[in-house]
Parts: sequence; C-alpha cells; structure tokens
Amino acid sequence: DARVTQTPRDKVTEMGQEVTMRCQPILGHNTVFWYRQTMMQGLELLAYFRNRAPLDDSGMPKDRFSAEMPDATLATLKIQPSEPRDSAVYFCASGLVVRTINEQFFGPGTRLTVL
Amino acid sequence: SQKIEQNSEALNIQEGKTATLTCNYTNYSPAYLQWYRQDPGRGPVFLLLIRENEKEKRKERLKVTFDTTLKQSLFHITASQPADSATYLCALQGGSARQLTFGSGTQLTVLP
Repeated sequence: DARVTQTPRDKVTEMGQEVTMRCQPILGHNTVFWYRQTMMQGLELLAYFRNRAPLDDSGMPKDRFSAEMPDATLATLKIQPSEPRDSAVYFCASGLVVRTINEQFFGPGTRLTVL
Repeated sequence: SQKIEQNSEALNIQEGKTATLTCNYTNYSPAYLQWYRQDPGRGPVFLLLIRENEKEKRKERLKVTFDTTLKQSLFHITASQPADSATYLCALQGGSARQLTFGSGTQLTVLP
C-alpha cells in the first residue's frame, strides 16, 4: 500500500532553532507539494516541485523557509530560524501529473510547535 | 482576490439523511474541482474530482455537482453514517496551474 511518509510526526523546538522536515513521496509520483495548515489560515500551499525542480514557492516566507528535493525519494522543508508563528501542521503531498493534475496523496503531517 | 467559501464551519445531521456541503468561489475560473476528506490528526484524503465541463460525478454514496455559472459545487453524502463524520475540503485548480487552492473546510458530524 503506497503512501507518503513524513518525519518527524511531532516536533517541539524553541524559537531561533533550525527545523528540518522530511518527506518521502510515493514512488513514481513526479510532483511534490508542501502545505501548512493552521486553524486560522486553513491549508496553504508553500511550495511544489515537478520532476524535482521547484515550480512555485511563492507561498513560502523566503527569508527563513527553504524547500529542496535532493533526490526523487526525498523532499525537505527547512525553517531557520524558527518562530512561534511557524507553529502549524506541515503536510507533504505527492501526485502523478501527466497533462493535468490528478489527486494528491497527503502524508500524515508534521506537527510543529515553536516555543 | 480569489476566494473559496465553504458553508458553515460545522454541519450536524441525523444518520440516514443526506448531507449537502457547499463550496462557493469568486474571482476564479477553475478547470477542476476536487473534494477531500480529513480526519483529526491525519492528512486530507482525495474523494472525487470533477471537471469544468462535467455537471455531476458520482462515487458510491457520494455525489458532486459543479455549476460554473453559479460558481458553486455541491457535495452530497446520501444515507449518511457516523463514520462519515469528518472535515470535508473543496479544492480548486486553474487550467494550466498544477497547484490546488483549498477551502477552509466544513466539519460534518453525523449523529447516530
């Protein structure tokens, strides 16, 4: 049963610390998305990659957030330095896009708490 | 600016009834509309996709309609069960864009 995996599932850190979240997309999927979910803002797209190339990261605060895909089996989202307002659940999703988008498969999320 | 609104944050219905959830959008011309289900502590799970040239799509007890004139999608769950209790999210995608824009969701509770 193919699924998206994310690590860690929970992360508590102090303000100013670096946080790295990892995602393993479903094998064969060519598109990876990073979302952030909060009660106030809902589910927001931060960045996404197609065939490992970043296509759009306009939803991401550039000064502290960075997203990369070092290989087809790993996507990372890094926050440096972290701030309390970054506290949220971060989801990774993957999908297979041929000509048009199909469904996205979400991971279980990383719940980040910045104190 | 683009806006997606889902009806009331919470909807309670009695088991066996049909639940109807609404997704309205403005300043947007989506080519596709998707519905996802999200349970507490989990990521969203894809349910249905409907294209702009489709009026209706069905899957088991689920039915989605898409009215591009009204700029609205309706999501129906017939013969609802307590297990259908979850938050339901609609998501829109423009023709050439690959990303989805999600609504804030409607929390559905089916009472036994």
